Amino acid sequence: SQQGEEDPQALSIQEGENATMNCSYKTSINNLQWYRQNSGRGLVHLILIRSNEREKHSGRLRVTLDTSKKSSSLLITASRAADTASYFCATASGTYKYIFGTGTRLKVLA
Amino acid sequence: NAGVMQNPRHLVRRRGQEARLRCSPMKGHSHVYWYRQLPEEGLKFMVYLQKENIIDESGMPKERFSAEFPKEGPSILRIQQVVRGDSAAYFCASSPGSPDSPLHFGNGTRLTVT
Repeated sequence: SQQGEEDPQALSIQEGENATMNCSYKTSINNLQWYRQNSGRGLVHLILIRSNEREKHSGRLRVTLDTSKKSSSLLITASRAADTASYFCATASGTYKYIFGTGTRLKVLA
Repeated sequence: NAGVMQNPRHLVRRRGQEARLRCSPMKGHSHVYWYRQLPEEGLKFMVYLQKENIIDESGMPKERFSAEFPKEGPSILRIQQVVRGDSAAYFCASSPGSPDSPLHFGNGTRLTVT
């Protein structure tokens, strides 16, 4: 069964606003990763946070991880039209088997 | 350095035919994953392979589906006697297998069963 569940399923914001999406998972993990998927393309890795980390930044991306609540959030600041895509979290435990969540479809309006 | 290459990009098969999907991982990557995606849905894990070994095939249907990653050549996902429900996008990803290494994805094969 799917490990991760993203929330919300869909998000529509204006350019320049911040976008926050959340991911919940069920079992213990080694790390949690966020990926982006543009329509019709494969997934692109954005950022990885290890289970012993609480927060990580990369450019306009900020990821938090709360292992006690088994949840993570991805914040995209100052969003751009080019950020329009689907965003997925993926969790790995033990044998490097990566399980993906259901995704958040983000639309950034110019 | 070429990324993960999948071919064909689009594949049309009639019910009952066989579908063969190919994936060449990134150079130096010995771990390959196959995922299936339906429109507007997430990726569903199918199988995880290392060279010449299937590590985890818990997401793959027991019948009609098989996967291999030979010592030489690409990884192959094979679907025998396809049915309409097999229509989906199939994505391959590779990694070097080290801890905390991200997955690198191909652009997928879109299978349509008519």
